[in-house]
Amino acid sequence: DIQMTQSPSSLSASVGDRVTITCRASHGIRNSLNWYQQKLGKAPELLIHSASTLQSGVPSRFSGSGSGTDFTLTISSLQPEDFATYYCQQSYSTPRTFGQGTKLEIK
Amino acid sequence: QVQLVQSGSEVKEAGASVRVSCKSSGYDVSWVRQAPGQGLEWMGWINGYSVSTNYAQKFQGRVTMTTDRSTSTVYMELRSLTSDDTAVYYCARDVGGYGKFDYWGQGALVTVSS
Repeated sequence: DIQMTQSPSSLSASVGDRVTITCRASHGIRNSLNWYQQKLGKAPELLIHSASTLQSGVPSRFSGSGSGTDFTLTISSLQPEDFATYYCQQSYSTPRTFGQGTKLEIK
Repeated sequence: QVQLVQSGSEVKEAGASVRVSCKSSGYDVSWVRQAPGQGLEWMGWINGYSVSTNYAQKFQGRVTMTTDRSTSTVYMELRSLTSDDTAVYYCARDVGGYGKFDYWGQGALVTVSS
């Protein structure tokens, strides 16, 4: 199985900050990497697929990059509604696996 | 508008089985679960015509995913439940089984009591 490791596990930031979350795969996965946002008590929502393609309807302040084993999710200017938990997930092989999550909290 | 609507919460005894439904309009679906306070775990995939399934090795022999084409509903049955199976179970659209979960159901909480 491919292991996905996110860092940091938690992060405190302020509205307007630029934030970067990192995801590392245990094996190369080309660009088969998706990012999800999950708010408390809700289902996850797809933000970015194929490492850098913004899902329809997602604000442009979200961006993704990377290929192979190292990936990043960047939020250019945090908004109050962005405080949530973020997960990366590889779609290169089965079983599909997720990172452990990064909880983004208000400073 | 794509909507996946799941069945409600369930409480089961250890050793029992649970079946969760997901009205999926014929789409291919993956099942993902989340234990309380924990991360996301993929369980498997079924195509909209119930011709193909792909189960995570961890759940092989204990999970069955089926489709009722007449009602466009997908079912996930998990057997021999333990307290470790207490989780919210989500269905998510996964067209072609490519692993991109672009629409999700609202989740169904399954509580296993011992």
